[in-house]
Amino acid sequence: GAGVSQSPSNKVTEKGKDVELRCDPISGHTALYWYRQSLGQGLEFLIYFQGNSAPDKSGLPSDRFSAERTGGSVSTLTIQRTQQEDSAVYLCASSFIPSGPLGETQYFGPGTRLLVL
Amino acid sequence: GQQLNQSPQSMFIQEGEDVSMNCTSSSIFNTWLWYKQDPGEGPVLLIALYKAGELTSNGRLTAQFGITRKDSFLNISASIPSDVGIYFCAGVNDYKLSFGAGTTVTVRA
Repeated sequence: GAGVSQSPSNKVTEKGKDVELRCDPISGHTALYWYRQSLGQGLEFLIYFQGNSAPDKSGLPSDRFSAERTGGSVSTLTIQRTQQEDSAVYLCASSFIPSGPLGETQYFGPGTRLLVL
Repeated sequence: GQQLNQSPQSMFIQEGEDVSMNCTSSSIFNTWLWYKQDPGEGPVLLIALYKAGELTSNGRLTAQFGITRKDSFLNISASIPSDVGIYFCAGVNDYKLSFGAGTTVTVRA
């Protein structure tokens, strides 16, 4: 597709279960980002991937959160032993290159709405 | 990332009115972005600002990047019902975006 896609669009899970969220970036975009948006809040940076470089994980809130990017394209965000405070919208974004006037412009997917009961 | 101060937090406007919102930060940013988010959707890029003092328009939208690179404003002229949504500013250094908390715009028909 032309834009960033994410799946599932909605996920309801029980406390303590693991969840996986998927992101397909725009074709040709080398940089991929994950953000979390809690109700009524701005976006919180989680993790950043660029090519084969080591990801910037500085925004991950705990060791229950991890992410992978396979083949420089699709990414999966995994939350283990989910807690109720993990309930949020998880947004993925991609950009052509990580820096410079064109690369700093990030394009967002529709998000995955996670509800932990 | 650094938190941007975005105001107002929310606004009710009459259709046809002009709207203005702004963001300030204690940090300097290389790039400033304005996004709009509709309910149930991800943010959509409206305007990107790259140079200090730059004034850029996109249809009824106008945004300016402050001279100090620490602030920006967004104006919407002649608002219409589809302008409803949450507007976010974001400052960019390298690859990290720092977001404001958003301005919720509701238009009265």
